[in-house]
Amino acid sequence: AQSVTQLDSQVPVFEEAPVELRCNYSSSVSVYLFWYVQYPNQGLQLLLKYLSGSTLVKGINGFEAEFNKSQTSFHLRKPSVHISDTAEYFCAVSRQGGSEKLVFGKGTKLTVNP
Amino acid sequence: DAGVIQSPRHEVTEMGQEVTLRCKPISGHDYLFWYRQTMMRGLELLIYFNNNVPIDDSGMPEDRFSAKMPNASFSTLKIQPSEPRDSAVYFCASSLARPDTQYFGPGTRLTVL
Repeated sequence: AQSVTQLDSQVPVFEEAPVELRCNYSSSVSVYLFWYVQYPNQGLQLLLKYLSGSTLVKGINGFEAEFNKSQTSFHLRKPSVHISDTAEYFCAVSRQGGSEKLVFGKGTKLTVNP
Repeated sequence: DAGVIQSPRHEVTEMGQEVTLRCKPISGHDYLFWYRQTMMRGLELLIYFNNNVPIDDSGMPEDRFSAKMPNASFSTLKIQPSEPRDSAVYFCASSLARPDTQYFGPGTRLTVL
């Protein structure tokens, strides 16, 4: 079975600072990896996904993530955050060639302060 | 496209009552997922369907929960009888194919008193 660990439950940063949200996964088989964002009182929406190919994946709103197979990590980064990036971020994994189920991490609450 | 539509957005009920949550997936999507989100347990997959057929219901907490998908454009999640510990936000999501993006609805916030 797959599992996801998001190491930080809360990350406060100042506006225009860089940010990294950490995600590690556990799986005995190859996986697909996803980052979703949830704004207050809304559903989740996809930021980016890694299916295959280049390990550096670019997503919406200036976010990017790097797949590191040896470290089983998929950390999310943004070089300069805005107030509007304040939200909860979820890392998720699914098994390649397996079911369509996504296993989500517990989430990281990013708060961007002025 | 209107996206995934869920109703009601908020539901307040008393313990023991039946609750029915509704979902309309994005037209043409083959997969439909029901999730529950709580502070304690995070986001949990309850059940998912492929072409209206339930594929995996291992996340359904107990027999009080049931889900149906009578056609490609409608699904329900029913709780009977409801209990205070069922209070949560319930999300419906749909996707076109595996391992495609899942599109989430706005959720139904359920409060059981």
